[in-house]
Amino acid sequence: GDSVTQMEGPVTLSEEAFLTINCTYTATGYPSLFWYVQYPGEGLQLLLKATKADDKGSNKGFEATYRKETTSFHLEKGSVQVSDSAVYFCALKFYGGSQGNLIFGKGTKLSVKP
Amino acid sequence: GAVVSQHPSRVICKSGTSVKIECRSLDFQATTMFWYRQFPKQSLMLMATSNEGSKATYEQGVEKDKFLINHASLTLSTLTVTSAHPEDSSFYICSARDLGGRAYNEQFFGPGTRLTVL
Repeated sequence: GDSVTQMEGPVTLSEEAFLTINCTYTATGYPSLFWYVQYPGEGLQLLLKATKADDKGSNKGFEATYRKETTSFHLEKGSVQVSDSAVYFCALKFYGGSQGNLIFGKGTKLSVKP
Repeated sequence: GAVVSQHPSRVICKSGTSVKIECRSLDFQATTMFWYRQFPKQSLMLMATSNEGSKATYEQGVEKDKFLINHASLTLSTLTVTSAHPEDSSFYICSARDLGGRAYNEQFFGPGTRLTVL
């Protein structure tokens, strides 16, 4: 079935370090891809998304490119801040037909130290 | 942006009792709401899809008689954990889908409810 695999955490970085969180997916078609972020004590928030191959989603300095050839959607940020400490979830979704439910990866906890 | 609230944020109950969790879309109407369960260090697992005015659709392996879902209005869905047991202890998260023009078809998530069954 459809699934999302993302790198296991926790990931601990110093402020201003470069961040990569890997995400790959398995799907029978061409889903839309998402990154959600969950700050401590809060619900999930949509960080960025891409709906077709080669699309790049970006927000708050984070970027991810939809790579169909490698079925990947890796999250990157050039310089992380302490405020980026959170759990990041990669997800996919198909639109149309059924309800279009989100399928999540297990989440990657990021801790940024000052 | 669109806001989804959950109440309560934390609840502790005795084994055998029932607990109701509310999910509200505060500034938009949601014909569809989703209920997820999140285990420690695990992903969110979809439990059921709640449709306003009709029966919920449960995922395979989720007991509909144990996890009662009611979606009586366009802004409120409730999840009732009946006869709760310690293994039901978990973090329950709801989301609501905005079919309005601002963020068509995007899901907005509530902050979650931590349930602890003693």
